[in-house]
Amino acid sequence: QSALTQPASVSGSPGQSITISCTGTSSDVGGYNYVSWYQQHPGKAPKLMIYEVSNRPSGVSNRFSGSKSGNTASLTISGLQAEDEADYYCSSYTSSSTPWVFGGGTKLTVL
Amino acid sequence: QVQLVQSGAEVKKPGASVKVSCKASGYTFTSYGISWVRQAPGQGLEWMGWISAYNGNTNYAQKLQGRVTMTTDTSTSTAYMELRSLRSDDTAVYYCAVVGNWFDPWGQGTLVTVSS
Repeated sequence: QSALTQPASVSGSPGQSITISCTGTSSDVGGYNYVSWYQQHPGKAPKLMIYEVSNRPSGVSNRFSGSKSGNTASLTISGLQAEDEADYYCSSYTSSSTPWVFGGGTKLTVL
Repeated sequence: QVQLVQSGAEVKKPGASVKVSCKASGYTFTSYGISWVRQAPGQGLEWMGWISAYNGNTNYAQKLQGRVTMTTDTSTSTAYMELRSLRSDDTAVYYCAVVGNWFDPWGQGTLVTVSS
């Protein structure tokens, strides 16, 4: 099962907004609303930021939002802060024999 | 609060086996599955497999079939992941995570180093 496709890196200045894309196929991102996003700081475990495409867990800032169009999901972070600098991974349920797949990850740099 | 606590770091020789534990607390263990995800140094997340804590059903990533076994002990709310015939490219941090239709929360990770 191929990984979902994410840009290797994105960057933005404090206060700006950025969007990270996650492209799959109709067998995963496009076929299910089970897309989730994770934030990972260096040396730390991943943390759930968005589930079921656009839902935020309790405690996650409303600066984080998710959406989906066709086979591409997106994570938008508004009002960038220094603490948002981290790696971000998307994941989707799939109809393949392995039920979950991750994206390759995107390194966010806050300039 | 829901929490997963994993066993400590391991150093193994090529060809050996490793068994990592993941103790759950703060929820009914049998209500959710546990997935294992690994991350090689400087690399992304790789889904390894899933086990139902309710009935022990498993689903493993194709590339690990035959080398990995996931089990649970419902009496202690603990999940286990055993990887056999270790190779140098199995060196990674191994995470467990509670899974419904997403992964949350995650354990703190267990570093497994395979080196002669």
